[in-house]
Amino acid sequence: NAGVTQTPKFRILKIGQSMTLQCTQDMNHNYMYWYRQDPGMGLKLIYYSVGAGITDKGEVPNGYNVSRSTTEDFPLRLELAAPSQTSVYFCASSYARVNTEAFFGQGTRLTVV
Amino acid sequence: AQTVTQSQPEMSVQEAETVTLSCTYDTSENNYYLFWYKQPPSRQMILVIRQEAYKQQNATENRFSVNFQKAAKSFSLKISDSQLGDTAMYFCAFIGGGSNYKLTFGKGTLLTVNP
Repeated sequence: NAGVTQTPKFRILKIGQSMTLQCTQDMNHNYMYWYRQDPGMGLKLIYYSVGAGITDKGEVPNGYNVSRSTTEDFPLRLELAAPSQTSVYFCASSYARVNTEAFFGQGTRLTVV
Repeated sequence: AQTVTQSQPEMSVQEAETVTLSCTYDTSENNYYLFWYKQPPSRQMILVIRQEAYKQQNATENRFSVNFQKAAKSFSLKISDSQLGDTAMYFCAFIGGGSNYKLTFGKGTLLTVNP
């Protein structure tokens, strides 16, 4: 089992560019999440999805968009990248919302210059 | 809104000794779940242990155990017989049993195990 796969692992963007962070899970999990991790700040929820076709905003959604056309995929789109979006991004999935482990991808380190 | 507070940004311990990491949380819910995640330098997030609020018994996983004090809203992690491989960032996390889908993390504690 591959678990949760994120691509790319590293990326440098110029201000104003756009990109999509890919996230795929092969565990048939309904719940998927995108977090960003800034130094000393823990993980903050950007967007989440409870199933294909259903997404909702988390704590810090501004500047990002998501879609969930399939159970497996949950891409995160950055439009008009800004230096404030420099961070490490994690995708996670879980079978149920509570009482189950959230499995994380290995993260994407994004730098906006 | 739920909050999770880890008051120790950094800690260190000698190999084979015991260390306790603190976590407090704030919620108005009665049913919820608490987790400790480990993030080694590889950046991978790994579940260490979980606790269900309605269970009075403290969870244990090998060398890892928790002290769950529901009234005090405290959820500390004890690592016994510390090993060099325990060196990592540790995050306390909370998710409510209601309609809030957000897994909330504390800011983390960097634990260094010294030889």
